[in-house]
Amino acid sequence: AQSVTQLDSQVPVFEEAPVELRCNYSSSVSVYLFWYVQYPNQGLQLLLKYLSGSTLVKGINGFEAEFNKSQTSFHLRKPSVHISDTAEYFCAVSSVGYDKIIFGKGTRLHILP
Amino acid sequence: KAGVTQTPRYLIKTRGQQVTLSCSPISGHRSVSWYQQTPGQGLQFLFEYFSETQRNKGNFPGRFSGRQFSNSRSEMNVSTLELGDSALYLCASSLRTGSEQYFGPGTRLTVT
Repeated sequence: AQSVTQLDSQVPVFEEAPVELRCNYSSSVSVYLFWYVQYPNQGLQLLLKYLSGSTLVKGINGFEAEFNKSQTSFHLRKPSVHISDTAEYFCAVSSVGYDKIIFGKGTRLHILP
Repeated sequence: KAGVTQTPRYLIKTRGQQVTLSCSPISGHRSVSWYQQTPGQGLQFLFEYFSETQRNKGNFPGRFSGRQFSNSRSEMNVSTLELGDSALYLCASSLRTGSEQYFGPGTRLTVT
């Protein structure tokens, strides 16, 4: 069975500064990895996904993530955040073979002016 | 393509009542999953349906049930509502189990 851990429940960062949201996973088989964003009072929106191929994945709104198999990590990064990036971010994993998706507990990104 | 729709968007019920929430997936998607989201417990998986069959189930009491119809639309039902059932209920659809999910806006249920 797979699991996913988001190491930080909250991350404060100044506007226009870079940010990294950390995600580690555990699985005995190959995985698919996802990052979702949830803005206040909305559903979750897919930011980006890793299925196979290049380990650097680019998503919407300037976000990117790097799949590191040896570290079993899939950290999300953005070089310069904006106040509109204030949201909760969820990392998710599913095993190849189409087992259900497992979500992390989420990381709240607070943008400081 | 139209996104995932959930009805109603907001609902207020009294303790002891029952409630039915509806979800229409993206056209062509056969998997529908339901989640409960609360400030204290975060995002918790309820169940997943694929081609009218329950594929996976989370750790919720039997008061929570669901079903899926032949057109992939899904409903979830909560009987004998408790105050702790107040939450945002999210529905997500996907092509198949384990592939990327697309979420609806949610139904905000308040139990008084």
